[in-house]
Amino acid sequence: KNQVEQSPQSLIILEGKNCTLQCNYTVSPFSNLRWYKQDTGRGPVSLTIMTFSENTKSNGRYTATLDADTKQSSLHITASQLSDSASYICVVSDSAGKLTFGTGTRLQVTL
Amino acid sequence: KAGVTQTPRYLIKTRGQQVTLSCSPISGHRSVSWYQQTPGQGLQFLFEYFSETQRNKGNFPGRFSGRQFSNSRSEMNVSTLELGDSALYLCASSWDTDEQFFGPGTRLTVL
Repeated sequence: KNQVEQSPQSLIILEGKNCTLQCNYTVSPFSNLRWYKQDTGRGPVSLTIMTFSENTKSNGRYTATLDADTKQSSLHITASQLSDSASYICVVSDSAGKLTFGTGTRLQVTL
Repeated sequence: KAGVTQTPRYLIKTRGQQVTLSCSPISGHRSVSWYQQTPGQGLQFLFEYFSETQRNKGNFPGRFSGRQFSNSRSEMNVSTLELGDSALYLCASSWDTDEQFFGPGTRLTVL
């Protein structure tokens, strides 16, 4: 059964600090992995999308990494801002386009 | 290019009633997917419509149904509402099986 597990479930950090969110998956055959940011009460917004051959991809202060061998991905947030407070969702697609969603990591950035 | 729009944004219903939610995809997108999101459960896939045909279906009871019109706009209907149906309902559109773009969601509260 395809699964996506994210850790931690929630995280509180001080503004200006860095943090790393983890995503482990068992989706096969793998096609791509996406990270979404979802503000409370809003729809998810895509941050990055990576295919099998990509190891890292950046979007501003967000950097995603992918290790297709160990089936792990991480999302690193640099110099966090209050506006980074949101849920971050890892989504993995198989070759048929079927998506498997993680339950997300809820990040809170405080002063 | 306008994003995915969903109407209404908020809805309050009572048990036993039925509800219809609407989604207008990004212009040119042929696929519309619907998701239910509840706290702690993450995004749960309801169904996907492509060119007016249901292409994929999740594990929800028959009370949940949908349809897609020739202009790709989609509606989702929930009959005989239950308290557990209270959730954020998200619609996402894509051209085919590529990246999905999410709407802002409809917050449904069942009393």
